Amino acid sequence: GDSVTQMEGPVTLSEEAFLTINCTYTATGYPSLFWYVQYPGEGLQLLLKATKADDKGSNKGFEATYRKETTSFHLEKGSVQVSDSAVYFCALSNAGGTSYGKLTFGQGTILTVHP
Amino acid sequence: EAGVAQSPRYKIIEKRQSVAFWCNPISGHATLYWYQQILGQGPKLLIQFQNNGVVDDSQLPKDRFSAERLKGVDSTLKIQPAKLEDSAVYLCASSQQGGAQETQYFGPGTRLLVL
Repeated sequence: GDSVTQMEGPVTLSEEAFLTINCTYTATGYPSLFWYVQYPGEGLQLLLKATKADDKGSNKGFEATYRKETTSFHLEKGSVQVSDSAVYFCALSNAGGTSYGKLTFGQGTILTVHP
Repeated sequence: EAGVAQSPRYKIIEKRQSVAFWCNPISGHATLYWYQQILGQGPKLLIQFQNNGVVDDSQLPKDRFSAERLKGVDSTLKIQPAKLEDSAVYLCASSQQGGAQETQYFGPGTRLLVL
């Protein structure tokens, strides 16, 4: 079945550092890929998405490129802020087989940014 | 636009008791999802509704969990009897039509602790 693997966490950075959170996936067909974020005390919200190979999703300075050849969707940000401290989830959605648009999530990566 | 509403926000029960969670999706959204998020893991789909019909309940422990979505709007998820391993956050999400490319909007979740 479909699966998503995120880099082992947590990640601790200083403000203005460069961020990469790795995400790889296994899926049949042509899934859509997502990054969701969960800020402290809040619900899950979409950060960015890409729906086909080579698409780049971007939002709030974060970027991720859908790489079908390496089955990856790594999240990057050039300069993190304290307010970026949150849990980040990589996920995929597949319309093929027994999937009907449900999200399959990775285990999440805790990001802590220090001033 | 109002978001996805869930209640209660927190619930503590003893094992073998029953509990129910309520979800009100975004107005006009045809697809409603219930996910279970165990501490330290990504959310996992329990059941997916399209209007008031079940699309996917393959991961729902049907001997103890049940869900309904009467009139294709609100939904309730019930656990009876609860087990210790049911301690988790129960997330409700909705999307317009359930397509793989669509954004799912999440509620704040109900945190369940089974003692």
